[in-house]
Amino acid sequence: AQSVAQPEDQVNVAEGNPLTVKCTYSVSGNPYLFWYVQYPNRGLQFLLKYITGDNLVKGSYGFEAEFNKSQTSFHLKKPSALVSDSALYFCAVRDMDSSYKLIFGSGTRLLVRP
Amino acid sequence: SQTIHQWPATLVQPVGSPLSLECTVEGTSNPNLYWYRQAAGRGLQLLFYSVGIGQISSEVPQNLSASRPQDRQFILSSKKLLLSDSGFYLCAWSVLAVSYNEQFFGPGTRLTVL
Repeated sequence: AQSVAQPEDQVNVAEGNPLTVKCTYSVSGNPYLFWYVQYPNRGLQFLLKYITGDNLVKGSYGFEAEFNKSQTSFHLKKPSALVSDSALYFCAVRDMDSSYKLIFGSGTRLLVRP
Repeated sequence: SQTIHQWPATLVQPVGSPLSLECTVEGTSNPNLYWYRQAAGRGLQLLFYSVGIGQISSEVPQNLSASRPQDRQFILSSKKLLLSDSGFYLCAWSVLAVSYNEQFFGPGTRLTVL
C-alpha cells in the first residue's frame, strides 16, 4: 500500500539553528513528492516538489528538501530557522493508482523558539 | 494569476441542518477540483474530487455530497449535518492532465456543528 510517514508530531528548534522535518514514503515506481506548510486557520501553501533530476530541491522561504531514493526519504530542511517558520508541515506523494490525487502525511508541527 | 475562493470562512450550524460550502477558482480553465476535511488541526482527509463538470468521485461514504455545476465551481453539501461533520474544510485545485502538478489550496471554511 502507498503511504507517507512523518514520524515526528512536533519538532522544536531554536531560532537561527538548522531545522529538519522528516518524511518517508512507500510507493511503487518513481515518486512525485511535495511539501506544504499550513499556518493557523489557513489553507495549505505549496513549498516545493521533487519530480525528477537533482536530488536537492529548493523552494519557497529558504526551504529545501533532499530526495533519497535508497532511504525512501524526502526530508525538509532550512539552514537557519525563523520564529515565523513555526507552522504545520505536510509531506505528500502522488497516488500512483490515481494520478490526480495526493497522499498526505499526518503533519509535523514545527516550533521555533526565540 | 490563479486564485481560489471559499465561503463562508466560518459557519456554526445545528445538528440536522443542511450545509452548502462553495469554492470557486479564477484564472484557469478545466481544473481538477478537490474537497478535503481537516479535523483537529492535523491530518487531511480527501472527501471528493472532480476532473470535469458533473464528474464527481467520492472517497469516503458519508452524509456529504459534492457537485460541480460549472467548470470552476465546486460545492460541498449535506442534507443533515452530524456532530462529526465539524472540521476545517479545504478546497483545492490542480492543472488537469498534469499528474505531477501540485495542488493549490483555498483559505478554508471552519465548520462547527452544535
